[in-house]
Amino acid sequence: DADVTQTPRNRITKTGKRIMLECSQTKGHDRMYWYRQDPGLGLRLIYYSFDVKDINKGEISDGYSVSRQAQAKFSLSLESAIPNQTALYFCATSETGLGTESSGANVLTFGAGSRLTVL
Amino acid sequence: RKEVEQDPGPFNVPEGATVAFNCTYSNSASQSFFWYRQDCRKEPKLLMSVYSSGNEDGRFTAQLNRASQYISLLIRDSKLSDSATYLCVVQGSQAGTALIFGKGTTLSVSS
Repeated sequence: DADVTQTPRNRITKTGKRIMLECSQTKGHDRMYWYRQDPGLGLRLIYYSFDVKDINKGEISDGYSVSRQAQAKFSLSLESAIPNQTALYFCATSETGLGTESSGANVLTFGAGSRLTVL
Repeated sequence: RKEVEQDPGPFNVPEGATVAFNCTYSNSASQSFFWYRQDCRKEPKLLMSVYSSGNEDGRFTAQLNRASQYISLLIRDSKLSDSATYLCVVQGSQAGTALIFGKGTTLSVSS
């Protein structure tokens, strides 16, 4: 089994529908992240969580919400999907640490991605 | 200035060539730097961390210049399997922050 599992892997939906993307991990990491990737724009951070009680907005959080149900689970919701939310979404995890050169705190492990199409 | 900027691609090189990518970052307080590799429609995977002293892993060498705020990746003796997009990743400017990705540079190695 993969260390970081995303479901669904592919979803086609219609404008206005509510969509949830789920992420679970077996790495035992405290930190979890949601990114989206668009052609020509790279990966952009939507939300991140450094532990179960911590949720932070990233650079493009508008139109999204998240829930950290447990250390191992971090879900991303689109309450009312719109076409410009069509993208490839990645969940990632990392260790907790000082983030210095020698620590593994900022090394990300990604899920395989969820491709979302909003018509 | 964008937080992380990379060389525009694509880079098209023959097998055996040496190719270098550069990346600049805006946050002088950044502590963590990485190169990730991403194959088409796949998830990014860590290629190597970048240390102040520079580091090498086989045909790959990464260097960090804090004074000029840039990171480089050198690939020697390019292989067909090196064809991918290479992402420069830097710790962001917010306190206790997550990482910021560059847009990536595409490398195509041909025989």
